[in-house]
Amino acid sequence: EPEVTQTPSHQVTQMGQEVILRCVPISNHLYFYWYRQILGQKVEFLVSFYNNEISEKSEIFDDQFSVERPDGSNFTLKIRSTKLEDSAMYFCASNGGFSGANVLTFGAGSRLTVL
Amino acid sequence: AQSVTQPDIHITVSEGASLELRCNYSYGATPYLFWYVQSPGQGLQLLLKYFSGDTLVQGIKGFEAEFKRSQSSFNLRKPSVHWSDAAEYFCAVGAQGAGSYQLTFGKGTKLSVIP
Repeated sequence: EPEVTQTPSHQVTQMGQEVILRCVPISNHLYFYWYRQILGQKVEFLVSFYNNEISEKSEIFDDQFSVERPDGSNFTLKIRSTKLEDSAMYFCASNGGFSGANVLTFGAGSRLTVL
Repeated sequence: AQSVTQPDIHITVSEGASLELRCNYSYGATPYLFWYVQSPGQGLQLLLKYFSGDTLVQGIKGFEAEFKRSQSSFNLRKPSVHWSDAAEYFCAVGAQGAGSYQLTFGKGTKLSVIP
């Protein structure tokens, strides 16, 4: 079964550092997403991406966040200057294609710890 | 805006006992409803979904859920729980955005299974 792959599984960084989280969505999917889950809280939508541009973003997705699809397979989330409150599990997801367009497939997540 | 409430933060059941996890949603139109499961260290795995039609939907691992419009509920059930079902369960409602598809999640219910 096709999978969404995320790397790294866990990253520890110092406050103020830049972090890049990587994702390989399912190959024939058209929409790509980032969600995050702060420990003990809900999984929250950050951003969606389609046709090489942001489709929608939440109020959480401020100027310190950016997304990019640098090549035909990777989808990245960059946090420019990390804050303590960015510590969370970040999930990549994708959907679209010839079937199951309304079903998101999630990756295993990247846990970010900001010290 | 849509919202999802999962009233039970943590539920403990004995192996072999039946299970019902509650989910209530708020959404203006006919909702797309989902249950996802997250095992420790794993991503979000889709258990089942409701789009339309039969209000009782079957999912993987022996789970089922019933959509009750009058109660705005989409409770998850399993007749006999296995130890491997211990995980966190998330109910979600889906909405088509400007070009993408967004999920709004509940806070999750953690299931513990006593041998």
